[in-house]
Amino acid sequence: NAGVTQTPKFRVLKTGQSMTLLCAQDMNHEYMYWYRQDPGMGLRLIHYSVGEGTTAKGEVPDGYNVSRLKKQNFLLGLESAAPSQTSVYFCASSYSGQPFYGYTFGSGTRLTVV
Amino acid sequence: QQQVKQSPQSLIVQKGGIPIINCAYENTAFDYFPWYQQFPGKGPALLIAIRPDVSEKKEGRFTISFNKSAKQFSLHIMDSQPGDSATYFCAANSKDSNYQLIWGAGTKLIIKP
Repeated sequence: NAGVTQTPKFRVLKTGQSMTLLCAQDMNHEYMYWYRQDPGMGLRLIHYSVGEGTTAKGEVPDGYNVSRLKKQNFLLGLESAAPSQTSVYFCASSYSGQPFYGYTFGSGTRLTVV
Repeated sequence: QQQVKQSPQSLIVQKGGIPIINCAYENTAFDYFPWYQQFPGKGPALLIAIRPDVSEKKEGRFTISFNKSAKQFSLHIMDSQPGDSATYFCAANSKDSNYQLIWGAGTKLIIKP
């Protein structure tokens, strides 16, 4: 099925541990995004990419790094996890930067940092 | 000025009723206003969208009303069904924001049978 696949779906980390979240899309979309979703705060953009080899900071980039070595993959890294990074993380992709094409979201990764 | 304020935070409506979710914005440069629907355990999905040159757009049972002078837009769901129970997000963007969507905080809608 075409779409956006996120792995893993759930993860529990200890404070200070590192991890990488993987996002893969098979729609040949140029743009990819990482969001975090917290109760009552909607979706906040962490980082995004406008094409292979490019990345840019979003609204809440601190504590995260990203890479887009292949067009279909967008990785989100946490180098030293903190409890404040407990959240649900969503990856999205779009055909172009203009949102009227619509964003396709993955099903999310629920991360708990203890 | 980049905010989109969404209300209410939660809403319970009887089946067949018309839930209304409201959003307000300040940035007059915003030129595209989508609504996304999110079911539990899933990512948001584009539901309907409007541009400020029209005052209303309908797609099936979903209608966006847009008031440019008041800088407000709202989602109405006609003949609501339990299957419409979800979280709804409004959003806005413009080329000034590098086309990044600015999201409302979301409304959790429950339709009671």
